[in-house]
Amino acid sequence: DAGVTQSPTHLIKTRGQQVTLRCSPKSGHDTVSWYQQALGQGPQFIFQYYEEEERQRGNFPDRFSGHQFPNYSSELNVNALLLGDSALYLCASSIRQTNEQFFGPGTRLTVL
Amino acid sequence: EDQVTQSPEALRLQEGESSSLNCSYTVSGLRGLFWYRQDPGKGPEFLFTLYSAGEEKEKERLKATLTKKESFLHITAPKPEDSATYLCAVDSNYQLIWGAGTKLIIKP
Repeated sequence: DAGVTQSPTHLIKTRGQQVTLRCSPKSGHDTVSWYQQALGQGPQFIFQYYEEEERQRGNFPDRFSGHQFPNYSSELNVNALLLGDSALYLCASSIRQTNEQFFGPGTRLTVL
Repeated sequence: EDQVTQSPEALRLQEGESSSLNCSYTVSGLRGLFWYRQDPGKGPEFLFTLYSAGEEKEKERLKATLTKKESFLHITAPKPEDSATYLCAVDSNYQLIWGAGTKLIIKP
């Protein structure tokens, strides 16, 4: 049984560029949440998708947007990248918005 | 404001030396408290969910307990492979609020 997968593993971008990160949830899961984790900090909630709609959002600007597809996979898009967007981006999946979440390995984004 | 605080920030133990990690929380409506383990450069790995004061869960050398204001993660006779960062999160109104974690180092 495949767990949560994310791609790419690592990504290097320059300020002002745009980036798309991808996530496939654990088999049987229908909800995807995205988190940003800075070094030495706990994850910060970005948003959650369920039934192809954004259901909840944390305190992140509109530069952060997402999408969920009919097969429950999800994308996180970040526009106009800033140096401060450098972080580990984590995707977590769960069943019907419950918060017993299972995480993927993350995408390490570096903005130069 | 909802808040989760973990202590200590870092803990160094000798192999076999038992100890406890603390997670204190202030939330408006607790719907669950979660413990995760995170290895460097990897995503958090789910350990336990606790829902009500007095509840306890165990897994191998780990035992999690919950009171109305805090949770403890007890580690008994730890081994070097238990070295990781342990994260606590609370479900407050369907959002997870996370602590900064405790970095646990077990020396052989």
